[in-house]
This record gives sequence, structure tokens and C-alpha cells, in this order.
Amino acid sequence: AQSVTQLGSHVSVSEGALVLLRCNYSSSVPPYLFWYVQYPNQGLQLLLKYTSAATLVKGINGFEAEFKKSETSFHLTKPSAHMSDAAEYFCAADFGNEKLTFGTGTRLTIIP
Amino acid sequence: DTGVSQDPRHKITKRGQNVTFRCDPISEHNRLYWYRQTLGQGPEFLTYFQNEAQLEKSRLLSDRFSAERPKGSFSTLEIQRTEQGDSAMYLCASRGRRGVEQYFGPGTRLTVT
Repeated sequence: AQSVTQLGSHVSVSEGALVLLRCNYSSSVPPYLFWYVQYPNQGLQLLLKYTSAATLVKGINGFEAEFKKSETSFHLTKPSAHMSDAAEYFCAADFGNEKLTFGTGTRLTIIP
Repeated sequence: DTGVSQDPRHKITKRGQNVTFRCDPISEHNRLYWYRQTLGQGPEFLTYFQNEAQLEKSRLLSDRFSAERPKGSFSTLEIQRTEQGDSAMYLCASRGRRGVEQYFGPGTRLTVT
């Protein structure tokens, strides 16, 4: 079955440290992939997308993600965490059926 | 673009009552989606429209749920005879003709007491 898995429901990093949020997909054909961020009681904001052009994708707020077909992964990184990065992050995939399939989310906490 | 808007932002209702939510997509976006998000989970697809046509409904969308997009612009999601299990955040998203990304509204949080 086609699915999205996010390893680590909670991740804590120190301010200024590297942020790494993991996402893997399960599909025989690489889907379109997305990362969204959600702040409390708000909707989802698109951070970046992969659409089979470049494998390294840059997004907003200094985030980037690398698509690795061999690992079926699309991990999200940011070199230096900021307090304002504290939020819930969702990885999502469009498996060619028009709708998004989401992972269960990773809550990112930034330690001052 | 003014973004996707949803109304109301919060709704508290008693079990058994009917509720209706509205979503206004980004102008000229022909695709409109509804998702439901429960606490601690990612959003789950409910249904989507291309223009005014409802093209797919999830099995999550029971007979008590109905969605419309009568003129291909705004959409409404109605829940009849609400149950406590309907308590969730209802998210609307829209997508343009050429893009693949979906843009989300702020959501409507429903609490059924």
C-alpha cells in the first residue's frame, strides 16, 4: 500500500543546531513529495515540494530536502535551528491520485 | 492571492445537531479539497472537486457528510446529526491548474459536546 512514514514523533534540537526530520514513502513509482509546517491552531503552510526535477529542493525559512530514490526518502533539514522553527511538520505525498497522503507528523522543539 | 479562507474558525455544537462549514479557495484554483485532522494525526483526505464536479469521496465520508461546490468557486461541507467522533479540525485546500501543490486554509475546529 502507498504510504508515508515519519520517523520520530518528537524531535528536540538546540537553537543553532542542525534540524533533521525524516520522511520515507512506500510506492513503486516516486510520488510528488511535500513538506508542510503547522503552527498551533493553524492550517498547513507549504515549505517545499519535489516534482522530479532537482533532487535537492530548497524551500522557505532556510529549509531544504533531498529526494533519494534508492532510500525512498525525503528528509527535511535546516543547518541552524531558530526558536521560531518550533512547530509540527508533516511530510505528504501525491501518489498520482490527486490527493495528499500525510505522515503522522513530527513535533519539533527548539531548546534555548 | 488572498489565500484560502474558511468559516467559521471554531464551532461548538451539541451531539445530534447539523453543522455547515464554508471554504473559499484561492481565486481561479479549479481544484478544492477537504481533509480532516484529529489530534496528534496528519490530515486525512475526505473529498475533492474539480470545478463543480465532486470526483472522489473517501470511505471516511459517511452518509452524514455532504460536500458541494455549486458554482465551482466556494465549497460547503455539511455534517448531519453530529457525533462526538466528528470532533476534529476540518481543513480545506485548493490547487491551481498548473501547479501540483495544495494550499491550505486555517481550518475549522469542530467540537461536539
